[in-house]
Amino acid sequence: DIVMTQTPLSLPVTLGQPASISCRSSQSLVHSDGNTYLSWLQHRPGQPPRLLIYRISHRFSGVPDRFSGTGAGTDFTLKISRVEAEDVGVYYCMQPTQFPPTFGGGTKVEIK
Amino acid sequence: EVQLVESGGGLVKPGGSLRLSCTGSGFTVSNAWMGWVRQAPGKGLEWVGRIKSKIDGGTTDYAAPVKGRFTISRDDSKNTIYLQMSSLQTEDTAVYYCYYYSDYWGQGTLVTVSS
Repeated sequence: DIVMTQTPLSLPVTLGQPASISCRSSQSLVHSDGNTYLSWLQHRPGQPPRLLIYRISHRFSGVPDRFSGTGAGTDFTLKISRVEAEDVGVYYCMQPTQFPPTFGGGTKVEIK
Repeated sequence: EVQLVESGGGLVKPGGSLRLSCTGSGFTVSNAWMGWVRQAPGKGLEWVGRIKSKIDGGTTDYAAPVKGRFTISRDDSKNTIYLQMSSLQTEDTAVYYCYYYSDYWGQGTLVTVSS
């Protein structure tokens, strides 16, 4: 199985400041079709997971543009340009490229 | 608007069975890859299994910890997928979420396995 390693585990952020989460996969996520399937999910308390970013950098419908994704191969990053109170929660990277789909361990974003 | 609504969670004894349902609206379940993910208390997200769209064969795949115990099926007439869980263990205690690709997620249903 592909292991997804996220850092940091916990990320205290000041409102209005940027935040960055790293995700590293144990194998390349480049699919045989040439695409790289790496997604970012947000999981707020009491809510279902929510897709933020797919295929490394594509924002899903309705996702604010303060969220952005970058990366390639095995190294990926989720950035929040200016953290808002509603961004509190746990963020997961996920790969559906190789069976079985696997998740990172999660990064808890909280307000300082 | 795409919506997913799960039901069927509850308390069950070790060794018991339970069936979860996930009803979709705003899309046709048989045309989508759908699946289940769970979150045990204090833990992260864990993929459980999936069912492919009819056009992709409608086959199912499972994570190693549940293979042989859990079965995913679909009822097109009800626009619903199911997760039949048997030989439940305490480690299966979790909130179970169904998903549509990874784009949309249900609210989750809690399964507690305890004597």
